[in-house]
Amino acid sequence: EAGVTQFPSHSVIEKGQTVTLRCDPISGHDNLYWYRRVMGKEIKFLLHFVKESKQDESGMPNNRFLAERTGGTYSTLKVQPAELEDSGVYFCASSQSRVEAFFGQGTRLTVV
Amino acid sequence: KQEVTQIPAALSVPEGENLVLNCSFTDSAIYNLQWFRQDPGKGLTSLLLIQSSQREQTSGRLNASLDKSSGRSTLYIAASQPGDSATYLCAVPSQGGSEKLVFGKGTKLTVNP
Repeated sequence: EAGVTQFPSHSVIEKGQTVTLRCDPISGHDNLYWYRRVMGKEIKFLLHFVKESKQDESGMPNNRFLAERTGGTYSTLKVQPAELEDSGVYFCASSQSRVEAFFGQGTRLTVV
Repeated sequence: KQEVTQIPAALSVPEGENLVLNCSFTDSAIYNLQWFRQDPGKGLTSLLLIQSSQREQTSGRLNASLDKSSGRSTLYIAASQPGDSATYLCAVPSQGGSEKLVFGKGTKLTVNP
């Protein structure tokens, strides 16, 4: 069974550009999460989908970040326009309710 | 607000040693606790999940314990090997029934041959 898959693994973009990250959760997992780790800090929650609905987006930094989960399958996280402080590793995770969360390999985003 | 602290921040041991990693959390109203491993440049690998009704979980050379009332968990690694070198992360739900996880900063473990 495939795990959580994230694309791309790395992305280097210039300040002001747009980047879209993609996450394919484990098949059958209704819960999908986005997390982020910036340099030197702990991993922090961004948002939580249950199927196609946003359950909790309290961790989204600002309105430059837009997450979608069309049809309750894969999810995208778009940053537009990107700023230097957006650099970090973006993780996606999926789970069934209240059980083990499985994480993807992460997307390392560098904004220059 | 849930906060997670992991001690020590870094640990270097010779191969073969048994070791303990510590995790503490401020809000004990959790329904589970999860330990992860992260290798450099890689994602998070789930190691052990302890439900709130359990006191410990074991997987191979790993044993994790949970004391909800005191807000503590330990990860015990027996007979450490160089391949155990990684960063170990502890995570708990943020509060009550929330499903979002709060992570500690991790313990970076180096096992020397």
